Amino acid sequence: NAGVTQTPKFRVLKTGQSMTLLCAQDMNHEYMYWYRQDPGMGLRLIHYSVGEGTTAKGEVPDGYNVSRLKKQNFLLGLESAAPSQTSVYFCASSYLDRANEQFFGPGTRLTVL
Amino acid sequence: KNQVEQSPQSLIILEGKNCTLQCNYTVSPFSNLRWYKQDTGRGPVSLTIMTFSENTKSNGRYTATLDADTKQSSLHITASQLSDSASYICVVSARAGGFKTIFGAGTRLFVKA
Repeated sequence: NAGVTQTPKFRVLKTGQSMTLLCAQDMNHEYMYWYRQDPGMGLRLIHYSVGEGTTAKGEVPDGYNVSRLKKQNFLLGLESAAPSQTSVYFCASSYLDRANEQFFGPGTRLTVL
Repeated sequence: KNQVEQSPQSLIILEGKNCTLQCNYTVSPFSNLRWYKQDTGRGPVSLTIMTFSENTKSNGRYTATLDADTKQSSLHITASQLSDSASYICVVSARAGGFKTIFGAGTRLFVKA
């Protein structure tokens, strides 16, 4: 099993450009999450999904959109990238709700110039 | 306000020595507390989980303790190894109209030969 995978691993964008980060999991988990990790701060939840076709806002959703068209995939989109979105993005999944063990992907390092 | 505070921010120890990392939280109503290990360039991986009724839980050389009355947890690492160099993240979940999960900023541990 691959667990949770993320693509791409690295990306550099110019301000105003758009991109989509892809997350895939092969553990048949219902819940999936997108976090950002910034220096000196804990992981912050951007958006999450409790099942195929559902999405919900986390604590820092502005500037991001998500989609969960298939149970195994969770996409994170940046429509118009800003330097403040420079961060490391982690996708995670869990069998049940957020209180359960979350399995994380390897991360995507995004730089917005 | 739900918060998770970890100390110290960083720590340097010699290989073979023991160390203890601290986590204080104000999250309520408390559901569980997890410690995650995050190697550089990778996603976090769960080490232990503790519920309200548990005081101590071990995973190899890692021992977590929980004092639910004082809302404190510690992670003790015995006979440290170079591979223990990583960030250790305390994560507390609260059950309140669904689950809310709060991540601490982590303690960066450096183990030197």
